[in-house]
Amino acid sequence: AQKVTQAQTEISVVEKEDVTLDCVYETRDTTYYLFWYKQPPSGELVFLIRRNSFDEQNEISGRYSWNFQKSTSSFNFTITASQVVDSAVYFCALSEGGRGADGLTFGKGTHLIIQP
Amino acid sequence: DAMVIQNPRYQVTQFGKPVTLSCSQTLNHNVMYWYQQKSSQAPKLLFHYYDKDFNNEADTPDNFQSRRPNTSFCFLDIRSPGLGDAAMYLCATSRDRGRAANEQFFGPGTRLTVL
Repeated sequence: AQKVTQAQTEISVVEKEDVTLDCVYETRDTTYYLFWYKQPPSGELVFLIRRNSFDEQNEISGRYSWNFQKSTSSFNFTITASQVVDSAVYFCALSEGGRGADGLTFGKGTHLIIQP
Repeated sequence: DAMVIQNPRYQVTQFGKPVTLSCSQTLNHNVMYWYQQKSSQAPKLLFHYYDKDFNNEADTPDNFQSRRPNTSFCFLDIRSPGLGDAAMYLCATSRDRGRAANEQFFGPGTRLTVL
């Protein structure tokens, strides 16, 4: 069975600090996909990134970066120079490739609070 | 510009009174999903449609049903809502299915209150 663990329930930092959100996953599939979504107070889930299990390259997009390490089954997300607008709940999610369109298994989310 | 639309955004119903939540999409995606998200919890998949093929998760209660009359619309019917069904209901779409898991686009959700 697949599982996603986000051990950090809530993180609070001061604006401009860097912050890393942890994600650890479990799966028996060799082909799988990992995602990060942002959920602001409005409730809509906003897609941030997708990574497949064969691509371990780290990715950077502006202030956001992702570190995928298969050896530790982790897919961590770092925000550099955080801003108040980054405040939201962030979900890590997993989809096992062999199951096709069976939806996403989400972690419990990390509530990120950026204080001005 | 809206891609996945959910109506209403807030729905109040009475214990045991059937309620229907609506989702529509302008993306022409083949797959539509319904997730339930209770307060401070992760979204949980209830079921999905691939075109007209309905796929129910094993632990989705029978109280929850879904209809997809055409590509654009999908409905979530709760036959007899209980207090435990109060939650945010999220609709999502993806272009296709297969080994390449597609990005899912989410609507803003409908927050259901059961009195």
